[in-house]
Amino acid sequence: RKEVEQDPGPFNVPEGATVAFNCTYSNSASQSFFWYRQDCRKEPKLLMSVYSSGNEDGRFTAQLNRASQYISLLIRDSKLSDSATYLCVVNGGGYNKLIFGAGTRLAVHP
Amino acid sequence: DTGVSQNPRHKITKRGQNVTFRCDPISEHNRLYWYRQTLGQGPEFLTYFQNEAQLEKSRLLSDRFSAERPKGSFSTLEIQRTEQGDSAMYLCASSRGLAIQETQYFGPGTRLLVL
Repeated sequence: RKEVEQDPGPFNVPEGATVAFNCTYSNSASQSFFWYRQDCRKEPKLLMSVYSSGNEDGRFTAQLNRASQYISLLIRDSKLSDSATYLCVVNGGGYNKLIFGAGTRLAVHP
Repeated sequence: DTGVSQNPRHKITKRGQNVTFRCDPISEHNRLYWYRQTLGQGPEFLTYFQNEAQLEKSRLLSDRFSAERPKGSFSTLEIQRTEQGDSAMYLCASSRGLAIQETQYFGPGTRLLVL
């Protein structure tokens, strides 16, 4: 079983749609959680950290459920520019390495 | 540009050759990480430096791989006797080193193709 699992997609949605990505992780000792965005043939870039209380950044909302070891990302009012791969990332407890999911690809069309 | 830089950006080599990649982290970032990403997968951790000390190495880092950060600034990743399975994007990241766990900033990567 992979340490971080994501639905690979792709998710094909029209502009303005709301889309949700889910992620599960296996290491209950994980302390930090992130969503990174990766454009085609580019490096991953931090989209947002995920906090236990849930957090929002504009059109993006992230949720964490530690009991279920589940992370989600909600994108509202999708834009063409949101088309990318979204990587669910956890940081193992006490270690500095990031553990990435395989990513969920999003394609937003006009 | 004060971000993480990597050189070269692309490298094509023949099987059996040695290659070396360089990473320059963000200035004053004490921690430096190497990851490898293959097509359709997320990045996988290879190794991590705190200043010049290499503190963790993944099982993925076989004996053919070696990484250094001699003065605690830039780092090099060398692959000896390259194999076709080494073809991947090699990503470097850095972080401040002020907290146990903190945001990592990635460089643009070096894309390696082994023929």
